Amino acid sequence: AQSVTQPDIHITVSEGASLELRCNYSYGATPYLFWYVQSPGQGLQLLLKYFSGDTLVQGIKGFEAEFKRSQSSFNLRKPSVHWSDAAEYFCAVSFTGGGNKLTFGTGTQLKVEL
Amino acid sequence: DAGVIQSPRHEVTEMGQEVTLRCKPISGHNSLFWYRQTMMRGLELLIYFNNNVPIDDSGMPEDRFSAKMPNASFSTLKIQPSEPRDSAVYFCASSLGVAATGELFFGEGSRLTVL
Repeated sequence: AQSVTQPDIHITVSEGASLELRCNYSYGATPYLFWYVQSPGQGLQLLLKYFSGDTLVQGIKGFEAEFKRSQSSFNLRKPSVHWSDAAEYFCAVSFTGGGNKLTFGTGTQLKVEL
Repeated sequence: DAGVIQSPRHEVTEMGQEVTLRCKPISGHNSLFWYRQTMMRGLELLIYFNNNVPIDDSGMPEDRFSAKMPNASFSTLKIQPSEPRDSAVYFCASSLGVAATGELFFGEGSRLTVL
C-alpha cells in the first residue's frame, strides 16, 4: 500500500525567509502527488498537484513543489514566507485506478515568526 | 458558489448517544468522502462514494459507524452508540469524476466531542 511520510512535525521560519517542507512517498509506480493546506478551524485546500510532465509544479499562493523520482520525494517550497502562511501542510498521494482516494501524510505545522 | 456544507459544526454529546453528521457536496460533484482527523492518527479516510454508491468503506472503524448517501446532494455519517474515542473532527469532501485528479473540496468539518 502507498504511504506518505512528512518527517517534520513542526517548522518555524521567520517572515521573509525561504521554506521547504519535506514529503516522501512509498509506492511502486508513479503516484499522483498533492499538497494541501489547512488553516485553523478550516478544511483542507489544494495548493498544487503533480501528475506527469514537468517535475516542477507551481501552485497557488506562491508555492511550488518538485517531484524527484530518484528520491521518492515531493518537497514543497516557497521563496519568501508571509505571516499568513502559518498553517498545517499535508502531502498526499493517490494512484491510477484508485479513484480520488488520497492517502495523507501526518502533516507539518508551520509557524511564522514576525 | 457554495462549497461543501457540513452540519453541525460542533457537537458535544454523552457516551452512548447517537450522533449524525451531515454533508451537502458541491453541486455536480459525483464523489464524496468522509475523513476523520485526530491528533494521534491524522487524517483517515473512512468511506467514499461514487455516484451515491459506497466504493470503499474499509476505513470505517467498526459497526458503530455507518454512512449513507441517499441522493447526489446529501450524505450522513452516523455513530451509534458514540464513545469518547470517537471524539475528532470529521470532514466531508467532494470531487468531480473518478480520475485521480486529487482535487478534493473540503467542508469546514464537524468537531465531535463525546463525554
